[in-house]
Amino acid sequence: GAVVSQHPSRVICKSGTSVKIECRSLDFQATTMFWYRQFPKQSLMLMATSNEGSKATYEQGVEKDKFLINHASLTLSTLTVTSAHPEDSSFYICSARWTSGRGGSYNEQFFGPGTRLTVL
Amino acid sequence: DAKTTQPTSMDCAEGRAANLPCNHSTISGNEYVYWYRQIHSQGPQYIIHGLKNNETNEMASLIITEDRKSSTLILPHATLRDTAVYYCIVRVSDPASKLTFGTGTRLQVTL
Repeated sequence: GAVVSQHPSRVICKSGTSVKIECRSLDFQATTMFWYRQFPKQSLMLMATSNEGSKATYEQGVEKDKFLINHASLTLSTLTVTSAHPEDSSFYICSARWTSGRGGSYNEQFFGPGTRLTVL
Repeated sequence: DAKTTQPTSMDCAEGRAANLPCNHSTISGNEYVYWYRQIHSQGPQYIIHGLKNNETNEMASLIITEDRKSSTLILPHATLRDTAVYYCIVRVSDPASKLTFGTGTRLQVTL
């Protein structure tokens, strides 16, 4: 399957600082990327849907001013957690939906390896 | 999107087939059945998807009942590396539709 990378894989930061997480589709173009959050022993929760060149669509209860999403190109989306607090500590996972660049179907959605954020 | 119901956990001996059931009794005609798995501390991995016909790939087989109200994911020869949480998701085939994860089935493969 197609490859999605995330950077960094792990980050520890102080409360009040901002953290940027990058998500890249390495061998395909993704017009749509998704950001999920997963707390320990829980399932993935969709935070927002990001379309290249347009504003992200946030799920109910997700603060758009706190979780800034930028999808500037077909292969890169970034999530910035602004003024992070300990309750933002979580596993953040991005996902990209294949649209072109390889044989396949847009029905397939590929996930990055995740970024573990710890806010002290 | 239709809701799915899966057992919370299952065990399987290594080398045996793992059969993971999923109920999706409210599935509509244009919704596909997707299976993903998540190994501990990793991102989910796509396994297989289907509409109404049975599907097979190098990872698994997907058996969908004729009325489409349930399906079974089959890992033909489970290994320890197949230990993971398996998610069954139904979704319309639309670029704008979302993958919504439930609680999944925690499969433990044992020696």
